[in-house]
Amino acid sequence: GQNIDQPTEMTATEGAIVQINCTYQTSGFNGLFWYQQHAGEAPTFLSYNVLDGLEEKGRFSSFLSRSKGYSYLLLKELQMKDSASYLCAVRVGKAGTALIFGKGTTLSVSS
Amino acid sequence: EPEVTQTPSHQVTQMGQEVILRCVPISNHLYFYWYRQILGQKVEFLVSFYNNEISEKSEIFDDQFSVERPDGSNFTLKIRSTKLEDSAMYFCASVGQAFEQYFGPGTRLTVT
Repeated sequence: GQNIDQPTEMTATEGAIVQINCTYQTSGFNGLFWYQQHAGEAPTFLSYNVLDGLEEKGRFSSFLSRSKGYSYLLLKELQMKDSASYLCAVRVGKAGTALIFGKGTTLSVSS
Repeated sequence: EPEVTQTPSHQVTQMGQEVILRCVPISNHLYFYWYRQILGQKVEFLVSFYNNEISEKSEIFDDQFSVERPDGSNFTLKIRSTKLEDSAMYFCASVGQAFEQYFGPGTRLTVT
């Protein structure tokens, strides 16, 4: 089966840095995606990793280690609007195939 | 910026009725998907569509479900005889030459 694990909930304060971890055991691997989802809304794309290492995009960075089946999303200079669910998703097959999502990590940012 | 659109935003139907959920993917995209998310649960893949046919489907996508791309722009998901457990948010997504899937705003389906 396909297994993607993330912590259920995290809390942090404005201005802080938070790291959301994701581990996966899947039948194949062709990329790991992070999405942000506010309550009642659609997932919005944040980042994509297919090779090992760190991808940085403004306040958000994502890291991948394929040998460990591990990724993290790093959010810096947290803002209240960053309160949302963060979804880790893996593409198992070739380009164009479906994503398998984890259950998501609900992040609450307080002032 | 182009975006995926979905209609209706909310559909209420009685158990046993047929529903059609509509999506307009981004125009030059090649792959189209339906996902669903039951309240409080994870996003689950239903079906993908490429070159006018189903390319992949999950165990959830049984004979009660069907997809069509009737006119080259719309992409529809039909549920023939809805059950209570079909109540969920249904998201359409599309992807082009790049890798990221763009999600539409979703249709909230409530089966009573």
